[in-house]
Amino acid sequence: QSVLTQSPSASASLGASVKLTCTLRSGLTNFAVAWHQKRPEGGPRFLMKVNTDGSHRKGDGIPDRFSGSSSGAEHYLTISGLQSEDEADYYCQTWSVDLSWVFGGGTKLTVL
Amino acid sequence: EGQLLESGGGLVHPGGTLRLSCAASGLTLSGFALSWVRQAPGKGLEWVATISPTGRVYYAESVKGRLAISRDNSKNSMSVEMHSLRVEDSAVYYCAKVLERWLVQDAFDMWGQGTAVTVAS
Repeated sequence: QSVLTQSPSASASLGASVKLTCTLRSGLTNFAVAWHQKRPEGGPRFLMKVNTDGSHRKGDGIPDRFSGSSSGAEHYLTISGLQSEDEADYYCQTWSVDLSWVFGGGTKLTVL
Repeated sequence: EGQLLESGGGLVHPGGTLRLSCAASGLTLSGFALSWVRQAPGKGLEWVATISPTGRVYYAESVKGRLAISRDNSKNSMSVEMHSLRVEDSAVYYCAKVLERWLVQDAFDMWGQGTAVTVAS
């Protein structure tokens, strides 16, 4: 079982909201998670880090449309007011001394 | 705003060696853990190696024994030497820094644009 599980794909309409999920493997608790956006060209873009207490820190210039939350083993990235440029792959990441640095398999978001 | 820029990618034969570099501009890398992450064609992101601010190194099992990551704070840069390259090492390699200074285990908050490595005969 993977450390982080993401749905392979998601879709939502322009202007709508979408909630992407990243699930920690059973038995893993109290892990912070980061979210990254990867468009076809260029490097990944750090969106935010969501701490275990729910606090978060966003990357430079990340609009308020992007928000993160968590509930137990599930971590969420919500994008509201979807824009065409939000069409990309989204990866969650976690880290620890035992796990090293781990990425989820990514979710390909299509904006309809 | 700071930037990371990778270089050194290219085409190499199986079993060959390649050295990738990551240079920073607009920020000081000293004090930050630095990493290499790769993305093979059609695949997701895969962590490859990390070097701590004090020089401690960490490798993914898939590359252990074949990669050597290093840093040069005086040149504000990081490198990785890759030996015994395999076809499955073909990927775009990204350098990344962590969010907080002096924290090794942390989120990656800055990424380079990547450099492509192709291992083929």
